[in-house]
Amino acid sequence: DAKTTQPTSMDCAEGRAANLPCNHSTISGNEYVYWYRQIHSQGPQYIIHGLKNNETNEMASLIITEDRKSSTLILPHATLRDTAVYYCIVDTVGGSNYKLTFGKGTLLTVNP
Amino acid sequence: SAVISQKPSRDICQRGTSLTIQCQVDSQVTMMFWYRQQPGQSLTLIATANQGSEATYESGFVIDKFPISRPNLTFSTLTVSNMSPEDSSIYLCSVRSSNQPQHFGDGTRLSIL
Repeated sequence: DAKTTQPTSMDCAEGRAANLPCNHSTISGNEYVYWYRQIHSQGPQYIIHGLKNNETNEMASLIITEDRKSSTLILPHATLRDTAVYYCIVDTVGGSNYKLTFGKGTLLTVNP
Repeated sequence: SAVISQKPSRDICQRGTSLTIQCQVDSQVTMMFWYRQQPGQSLTLIATANQGSEATYESGFVIDKFPISRPNLTFSTLTVSNMSPEDSSIYLCSVRSSNQPQHFGDGTRLSIL
Protein backbone atom coordinates (compact mmCIF):
# COMPACT_ATOMS: atom_id res chain seq x y z
CA ASP A 1 0.00 0.00 0.00
CA ALA A 2 1.04 3.59 -0.61
CA LYS A 3 2.79 5.17 2.36
CA THR A 4 1.63 8.70 1.66
CA THR A 5 -1.57 10.70 2.12
CA GLN A 6 -2.56 13.47 -0.27
CA PRO A 7 -5.73 15.49 -0.77
CA THR A 8 -7.88 14.14 -3.56
CA SER A 9 -8.09 17.43 -5.42
CA MET A 10 -7.03 21.07 -5.30
CA ASP A 11 -7.69 24.19 -7.32
CA CYS A 12 -5.29 27.00 -8.08
CA ALA A 13 -5.57 30.25 -10.01
CA GLU A 14 -3.32 30.70 -13.00
CA GLY A 15 -0.20 32.68 -12.11
CA ARG A 16 -0.47 31.93 -8.42
CA ALA A 17 1.64 29.49 -6.45
CA ALA A 18 0.30 25.96 -6.11
CA ASN A 19 1.16 24.30 -2.80
CA LEU A 20 0.53 20.56 -2.75
CA PRO A 21 0.81 18.84 0.64
CA CYS A 22 1.79 15.27 1.37
CA ASN A 23 1.87 13.37 4.64
CA HIS A 24 4.37 10.53 5.06
CA SER A 25 4.45 9.96 8.80
CA THR A 26 6.01 6.47 8.57
CA ILE A 27 8.93 7.47 6.37
CA SER A 28 12.19 5.71 7.14
CA GLY A 29 15.57 7.36 7.51
CA ASN A 30 16.81 6.13 4.14
CA GLU A 31 13.67 6.94 2.17
CA TYR A 32 13.42 9.86 -0.20
CA VAL A 33 10.31 11.85 -1.09
CA TYR A 34 9.60 11.83 -4.82
CA TRP A 35 7.07 13.86 -6.75
CA TYR A 36 5.72 12.90 -10.15
CA ARG A 37 2.84 14.28 -12.15
CA GLN A 38 0.67 12.77 -14.85
CA ILE A 39 -0.90 15.00 -17.41
CA HIS A 40 -3.86 13.45 -19.19
CA SER A 41 -2.87 10.89 -21.83
CA GLN A 42 0.80 10.97 -20.87
CA GLY A 43 3.09 8.88 -18.72
CA PRO A 44 4.14 10.12 -15.27
CA GLN A 45 6.73 12.89 -15.36
CA TYR A 46 9.42 13.15 -12.73
CA ILE A 47 9.39 16.54 -10.96
CA ILE A 48 11.73 16.51 -7.98
CA HIS A 49 12.93 14.47 -5.03
CA GLY A 50 14.62 15.09 -1.69
CA LEU A 51 15.81 13.43 1.51
CA LYS A 52 15.69 16.06 4.23
CA ASN A 53 16.85 19.34 2.78
CA ASN A 54 14.64 21.59 0.73
CA GLU A 55 15.19 21.22 -2.99
CA THR A 56 14.53 23.45 -5.98
CA ASN A 57 14.80 22.89 -9.70
CA GLU A 58 13.44 24.49 -12.83
CA MET A 59 10.03 22.93 -12.32
CA ALA A 60 9.28 23.21 -8.61
CA SER A 61 10.43 23.47 -5.02
CA LEU A 62 10.17 20.75 -2.41
CA ILE A 63 9.86 21.69 1.24
CA ILE A 64 10.33 18.84 3.73
CA THR A 65 9.54 19.36 7.40
CA GLU A 66 12.30 18.89 9.94
CA ASP A 67 10.76 15.67 11.27
CA ARG A 68 10.34 14.51 7.63
CA LYS A 69 6.77 13.45 8.27
CA SER A 70 5.32 15.75 5.66
CA SER A 71 6.32 17.77 2.62
CA THR A 72 4.96 20.37 0.23
CA LEU A 73 5.51 20.65 -3.49
CA ILE A 74 5.42 24.24 -4.67
CA LEU A 75 4.78 25.29 -8.26
CA PRO A 76 5.69 28.99 -8.00
CA HIS A 77 3.63 30.30 -10.91
CA ALA A 78 1.05 27.76 -11.98
CA THR A 79 -0.08 27.69 -15.60
CA LEU A 80 -2.97 25.89 -17.27
CA ARG A 81 -0.49 23.26 -18.47
CA ASP A 82 0.23 22.33 -14.86
CA THR A 83 -3.23 20.79 -14.55
CA ALA A 84 -2.44 17.15 -13.74
CA VAL A 85 -2.51 14.44 -11.10
CA TYR A 86 0.43 14.90 -8.73
CA TYR A 87 1.86 11.87 -6.95
CA CYS A 88 3.92 11.98 -3.78
CA ILE A 89 5.93 8.78 -3.28
CA VAL A 90 8.45 7.71 -0.66
CA ASP A 91 11.08 5.17 -1.56
CA THR A 92 14.72 4.32 -1.27
CA VAL A 93 17.39 5.09 -3.83
CA GLY A 94 19.93 2.52 -4.84
CA GLY A 95 20.07 -1.11 -3.92
CA SER A 96 19.19 -4.00 -6.17
CA ASN A 97 15.55 -3.12 -6.54
CA TYR A 98 13.71 0.12 -6.95
CA LYS A 99 9.96 0.08 -7.23
CA LEU A 100 7.61 3.04 -7.06
CA THR A 101 4.31 2.54 -5.29
CA PHE A 102 1.75 5.01 -6.61
CA GLY A 103 -1.16 6.18 -4.50
CA LYS A 104 -4.16 8.04 -5.86
CA GLY A 105 -2.42 11.41 -5.98
CA THR A 106 -3.87 14.93 -6.02
CA LEU A 107 -5.71 16.25 -9.05
CA LEU A 108 -4.55 19.85 -9.39
CA THR A 109 -6.77 22.00 -11.57
CA VAL A 110 -5.33 25.35 -12.59
CA ASN A 111 -8.10 27.79 -13.45
CA PRO A 112 -7.80 30.83 -15.74
CA SER B 1 16.91 11.95 -18.97
CA ALA B 2 16.44 8.90 -21.18
CA VAL B 3 14.01 9.09 -24.09
CA ILE B 4 11.55 6.19 -23.93
CA SER B 5 9.51 5.10 -26.93
CA GLN B 6 6.62 2.69 -26.71
CA LYS B 7 4.94 0.96 -29.61
CA PRO B 8 2.11 0.83 -30.36
CA SER B 9 0.77 3.97 -28.70
CA ARG B 10 -2.72 2.51 -28.79
CA ASP B 11 -4.56 -0.51 -30.12
CA ILE B 12 -7.97 -2.10 -30.20
CA CYS B 13 -7.91 -5.88 -30.01
CA GLN B 14 -10.32 -8.79 -30.05
CA ARG B 15 -10.75 -10.89 -26.95
CA GLY B 16 -8.69 -14.05 -26.92
CA THR B 17 -5.85 -12.53 -28.91
CA SER B 18 -2.42 -11.40 -27.70
CA LEU B 19 -0.53 -8.15 -28.18
CA THR B 20 3.16 -7.43 -27.74
CA ILE B 21 4.17 -3.94 -26.61
CA GLN B 22 7.69 -2.71 -27.27
CA CYS B 23 9.76 -0.32 -25.16
CA GLN B 24 12.90 1.21 -26.63
CA VAL B 25 15.27 3.50 -24.72
CA ASP B 26 17.84 5.77 -26.34
CA SER B 27 20.54 4.86 -23.83
CA GLN B 28 21.53 1.88 -21.73
CA VAL B 29 19.64 1.65 -18.46
CA THR B 30 20.05 -0.53 -15.42
CA MET B 31 16.43 -1.40 -14.78
CA MET B 32 13.23 -1.54 -16.80
CA PHE B 33 9.74 -1.91 -15.41
CA TRP B 34 6.23 -2.48 -16.70
CA TYR B 35 3.20 -0.87 -15.08
CA ARG B 36 -0.53 -1.08 -15.70
CA GLN B 37 -3.00 1.76 -15.22
CA GLN B 38 -6.61 0.68 -15.32
CA PRO B 39 -9.27 3.25 -16.24
CA GLY B 40 -9.52 5.95 -13.57
CA GLN B 41 -6.94 4.24 -11.38
CA SER B 42 -3.36 4.79 -10.34
CA LEU B 43 -0.36 2.85 -11.62
CA THR B 44 0.34 -0.72 -10.53
CA LEU B 45 3.69 -2.41 -11.08
CA ILE B 46 3.41 -5.61 -13.14
CA ALA B 47 7.02 -6.72 -13.16
CA THR B 48 10.68 -5.82 -13.34
CA ALA B 49 12.26 -6.81 -16.65
CA ASN B 50 15.64 -8.44 -16.04
CA GLN B 51 18.23 -8.59 -18.78
CA GLY B 52 19.01 -12.13 -19.78
CA SER B 53 16.78 -13.76 -17.18
CA GLU B 54 13.15 -14.17 -16.26
CA ALA B 55 11.25 -11.10 -15.15
CA THR B 56 10.34 -10.58 -11.51
CA TYR B 57 6.55 -10.41 -11.19
CA GLU B 58 4.52 -8.64 -8.54
CA SER B 59 1.77 -10.33 -6.62
CA GLY B 60 -1.26 -10.89 -8.82
CA PHE B 61 0.66 -10.99 -12.09
CA VAL B 62 1.94 -14.18 -13.74
CA ILE B 63 4.31 -14.95 -16.57
CA ASP B 64 1.75 -16.91 -18.59
CA LYS B 65 -0.49 -13.86 -18.83
CA PHE B 66 2.23 -11.19 -19.12
CA PRO B 67 5.38 -12.67 -20.64
CA ILE B 68 8.24 -10.18 -20.69
CA SER B 69 11.51 -10.14 -22.56
CA ARG B 70 14.59 -8.00 -22.11
CA PRO B 71 17.31 -9.04 -24.55
CA ASN B 72 19.60 -6.06 -23.89
CA LEU B 73 19.99 -2.86 -21.86
CA THR B 74 17.85 -0.69 -24.13
CA PHE B 75 14.85 -2.82 -25.13
CA SER B 76 12.01 -4.77 -23.53
CA THR B 77 8.68 -6.23 -24.57
CA LEU B 78 5.50 -6.98 -22.66
CA THR B 79 2.93 -9.35 -24.11
CA VAL B 80 -0.65 -9.29 -22.92
CA SER B 81 -1.93 -12.81 -23.61
CA ASN B 82 -5.41 -14.18 -24.20
CA MET B 83 -6.92 -10.76 -23.69
CA SER B 84 -10.29 -10.07 -22.13
CA PRO B 85 -12.12 -6.75 -21.66
CA GLU B 86 -10.68 -6.56 -18.12
CA ASP B 87 -7.23 -6.10 -19.69
CA SER B 88 -8.26 -2.77 -21.17
CA SER B 89 -5.71 -0.42 -19.61
CA ILE B 90 -2.74 1.78 -20.25
CA TYR B 91 0.50 -0.18 -20.12
CA LEU B 92 3.60 1.85 -19.26
CA CYS B 93 7.29 1.14 -19.51
CA SER B 94 9.68 2.86 -17.13
CA VAL B 95 13.44 2.87 -16.75
CA ARG B 96 16.04 3.80 -14.21
CA SER B 97 19.80 3.84 -13.89
CA SER B 98 21.84 3.86 -10.72
CA ASN B 99 20.80 6.59 -8.28
CA GLN B 100 18.67 8.32 -10.90
CA PRO B 101 14.92 8.91 -10.75
CA GLN B 102 12.67 6.55 -12.64
CA HIS B 103 11.37 7.84 -15.98
CA PHE B 104 8.30 6.72 -17.89
CA GLY B 105 7.19 6.34 -21.46
CA ASP B 106 3.83 7.69 -22.59
CA GLY B 107 2.23 4.27 -22.48
CA THR B 108 0.17 2.03 -24.72
CA ARG B 109 -3.60 2.47 -24.55
CA LEU B 110 -5.17 -0.93 -25.02
CA SER B 111 -8.87 -1.60 -25.56
CA ILE B 112 -10.27 -5.09 -25.86
CA LEU B 113 -13.63 -5.66 -27.53
